[in-house]
Amino acid sequence: EPEVTQTPSHQVTQMGQEVILRCVPISNHLYFYWYRQILGQKVEFLVSFYNNEISEKSEIFDDQFSVERPDGSNFTLKIRSTKLEDSAMYFCASRPIGSYNEQFFGPGTRLTVL
Amino acid sequence: EDKVVQSPLSLVVHEGDTVTLNCSYEVTNFRSLLWYKQEKKAPTFLFMLTSSGIEKKSGRLSSILDKKELFSILNITATQTGDSAIYLCAVLTSGTYKYIFGTGTRLKVLA
Repeated sequence: EPEVTQTPSHQVTQMGQEVILRCVPISNHLYFYWYRQILGQKVEFLVSFYNNEISEKSEIFDDQFSVERPDGSNFTLKIRSTKLEDSAMYFCASRPIGSYNEQFFGPGTRLTVL
Repeated sequence: EDKVVQSPLSLVVHEGDTVTLNCSYEVTNFRSLLWYKQEKKAPTFLFMLTSSGIEKKSGRLSSILDKKELFSILNITATQTGDSAIYLCAVLTSGTYKYIFGTGTRLKVLA
């Protein structure tokens, strides 16, 4: 069964460093999302992406964040200068065109900023 | 501001018990409500509810939506230790179809 994959599973970085989190959505999906979950807190929407552009972004998604679909398969989230408070689990999700409901989640990348 | 509230925040029961998890919401541009189960990592899909009063059922799990009172419940009967997880309620909004998640209910089932 096709699934969303994410790499790495765990990333440790120093404050101020740039990180890129990678996602490979399910192949026929065209809508992509990033969510994050700070430890012990709820899952929060970051950004949605369709047709090579951002559809919507939350207040969390400030200028330090960017997303890109560099090729036909990868979908990346870049944090330019990480802060301690960026430590969280980051989930990528995707959904197919024509389906307006269920999103399929990847296993997440745990980002730890020291 | 859109919000989704789940209760209780956590619950400890014994195997065989029946549990009811609650989700209330105040969301503009409501499209549907979804329940997910989160064990170690990625949330896995359980149910999607769009219409009021129609129960969705899958084995020992069932769920129903009340769009007038703006809530949903998730029932688990004859609980098993494998049901131990965080249960997430999410409201899907129209437009960009983003999810708004509740805080989750952490369920622990003791043998």
